[in-house]
Amino acid sequence: QQQVKQSPQSLIVQKGGISIINCAYENTAFDYFPWYQQFPGKGPALLIAIRPDVSEKKEGRFTISFNKSAKQFSLHIMDSQPGDSATYFCAASRVNSGYALNFGKGTSLLVTP
Amino acid sequence: DTEVTQTPKHLVMGMTNKKSLKCEQHMGHRAMYWYKQKAKKPPELMFVYSYEKLSINESVPSRFSPECPNSSLLNLHLHALQPEDSALYLCASSHWTSGRPREQYFGPGTRLTVT
Repeated sequence: QQQVKQSPQSLIVQKGGISIINCAYENTAFDYFPWYQQFPGKGPALLIAIRPDVSEKKEGRFTISFNKSAKQFSLHIMDSQPGDSATYFCAASRVNSGYALNFGKGTSLLVTP
Repeated sequence: DTEVTQTPKHLVMGMTNKKSLKCEQHMGHRAMYWYKQKAKKPPELMFVYSYEKLSINESVPSRFSPECPNSSLLNLHLHALQPEDSALYLCASSHWTSGRPREQYFGPGTRLTVT
């Protein structure tokens, strides 16, 4: 049972454009929501994370928007670059599950020159 | 430094072999994790260790045997694996104490092929 639903499955964006990936969850016990970037053959790298008491968090070109009432959160990549081409995973965790991450299915992002 | 190291990078083993995967971190984290990732899928949790004790076992078959000899090291012992166990095995670590940052950092993984 997928506890975090992620869309779209794949995304093509032109260089300089905005990439938007969305995630939704059902379990209101989740209290930590990170995004990971993964290149082929590499481990996931933590990009940015948010807690539900904050509606938006920005780090460089990456922004998380969080809507607690809708149980949705999204990643925006501004000024997308070809080097951003990777698979992106949203995730959620809660304290009483050992902080283990529940991942979305992933979004394969391709940024074209 | 947010580095988690894993060895070996690649491992090919037969179904009757015994091998071990190793993971190390020096961030002072007291929680360590094993995840399994199949191609084009998200990582799936296998085990969680906190303060060197097994906290969570996600109903993983006994042919996978984790071990946490100290707060910096995590091993995964493999025995009598099946070809469907071929995957990328990821180690991760994080703080465990309430009030500490929740960031979980992953190693580069071990690409395991079972023949």
